[in-house]
Amino acid sequence: EDKVVQSPLSLVVHEGDTVTLNCSYEVTNFRSLLWYKQEKKAPTFLFMLTSSGIEKKSGRLSSILDKKELSSILNITATQTGDSAIYLCSGTYKYIFGTGTRLKVLA
Amino acid sequence: DAGVIQSPRHEVTEMGQEVTLRCKPISGHNSLFWYRQTMMRGLELLIYFNNNVPIDDSGMPEDRFSAKMPNASFSTLKIQPSEPRDSAVYFCASSPNLGGQGGASNTEAFFGQGTRLTVV
Repeated sequence: EDKVVQSPLSLVVHEGDTVTLNCSYEVTNFRSLLWYKQEKKAPTFLFMLTSSGIEKKSGRLSSILDKKELSSILNITATQTGDSAIYLCSGTYKYIFGTGTRLKVLA
Repeated sequence: DAGVIQSPRHEVTEMGQEVTLRCKPISGHNSLFWYRQTMMRGLELLIYFNNNVPIDDSGMPEDRFSAKMPNASFSTLKIQPSEPRDSAVYFCASSPNLGGQGGASNTEAFFGQGTRLTVV
C-alpha cells in the first residue's frame, strides 16, 4: 500500500530558529516528491523534487530528495511568524499526501 | 485562468440528506483528484480520474460516497446519505497528465479552495 509519512506531526519554535521537516514515502511508480504549504485555505505548491541529491531553494526554504532512503527534508531558516502553517509532502504518481507537519512560529 | 473551482464553499446539511460537491478543473488538465481533510486523518486521497475515467477509488470510505466525471470540465462527489462523521473539508485538485495512461504525472497538482461540509 502506498504511503507517505511526515515527522514531526507538530512543531513550535521561536522566530529566527531553523527547522527541518521530514518526509518518507513508499509510492508505486514514484515520479516526484512535492512539498506544499497550507495556511487557512488550499495547499499551495512549494517544491517539486525529481532527482536525488539536488537541493532546491526558494528564499529561506530549501528541500532535497534522497531516493535511496525514500525520503526528503524541507528546511526553513530564520523562521518568521508567517511561516506558521501545515507543511505537506506528496509522492506522485497518485499524489498521496502525508498527514502534514503543523509548524507554529512564535514571535 | 481561474484555477480549480469548487462549489459550494460551505455546506451545512442534516444527517441523512444527500450532498453533492462540484469541481471544475483547470482547462487542459487530464487528471483530477478528490481529497478529504480532517484534523485526525490529514489529507486523504478519495478518488483519482485520468481522462475522465476513474483510475483508483480505493480511498472512497464507503458505498455512500460516489464520484463522477462526465466530461473534462466537471466532476461531482456525492454523499448519500450523509453522516456527521463526513464533516470535513473536501478538496478537488487537477494536474496535467504527462505520463500516459494511469497518470504517472511529473507536475504539481493545483488545488481548489475547498468545500467545508458540516453534517449535523
